[in-house]
Amino acid sequence: QVQLQESGPGLVKPSGTLSLTCAVSGVSIRSSNWWSWVRQSPGKGLEWIGEVYYSGSTNYNPSLKSRVIISVDQSNNQFSLKMYSVTAADTAVYYCARDLFTTSGYYMDVWGKGTTVTVSS
Amino acid sequence: EIVLTQSPATLSLSPGERATLSCRASQSVSSYLAWYQQKPGQAPRLLIYGASNRATGTPARFSGSGSGTDFILTISSLEPEDFAVYYCQQRSNWPSFTFGPGTKVDIK
Repeated sequence: QVQLQESGPGLVKPSGTLSLTCAVSGVSIRSSNWWSWVRQSPGKGLEWIGEVYYSGSTNYNPSLKSRVIISVDQSNNQFSLKMYSVTAADTAVYYCARDLFTTSGYYMDVWGKGTTVTVSS
Repeated sequence: EIVLTQSPATLSLSPGERATLSCRASQSVSSYLAWYQQKPGQAPRLLIYGASNRATGTPARFSGSGSGTDFILTISSLEPEDFAVYYCQQRSNWPSFTFGPGTKVDIK
C-alpha cells in the first residue's frame, strides 16, 4: 500500500524558507511516477505547487516558480519542497501526492495527510 | 491558463437525494478531468478520472460525464458520508494542474 507522509517545521518566519519533506513508502520513488506538492490556504481551494520525477526533472506552477524548488532523494525514497521568501499568504496545509499516469491523463491518486505551515513572526 | 468554474458553490440536499455538480473549463480539456472529494481535516481523495472512470474504491453511486468544456459529477443517492467538498481538476495544458474552486454538498 502506497503511503505518503509530510514532515517539516510548522512555523516559518516571514521572508524565511519553508522546507518540507515527503516520505514515500510502499513503492519505490524510482517507479514511473511524478510526485507533486499541493497546498490549501485556510478556507480556500487547492493550489498545485509543482512536481518532480525520480530523475530530478521538475515542473512548477508558473505563479510560484520563482520561489520554489522541488527535489528528490532516491536513497531515502523521499522528495522535498523548498519555498523561499515566504509571506503570510503562504500559510496553508501542504500536501504531497503521487501523480498517477493513466491513458486518460495524470491524476493524484495517493495523498499524504497534509501538514500545516504557518508563516508568522 | 485554463480556468475551471464549479457550480453551484453550495448544494443543500437530504440523504437519499440525487446530487448534480457542474464543472466548466474556460477552454477544452478533452476528457482530462478528475473529481476529488475532501472531508474536513482530510486530504482530497480521487473519485473520478478521465471524466468518467471511477477510481479504485469509488462507490458506483458516483458517476462522471462530459468532455470538452462541460462536465458533471452525479451522486445518484446521497449517503451520510458523501457530504463533503468536491473539486474538479484538469491537466490538459501540460504541465500545470489546475483545480476548480469546489462545490460544498451539505445536509439540508
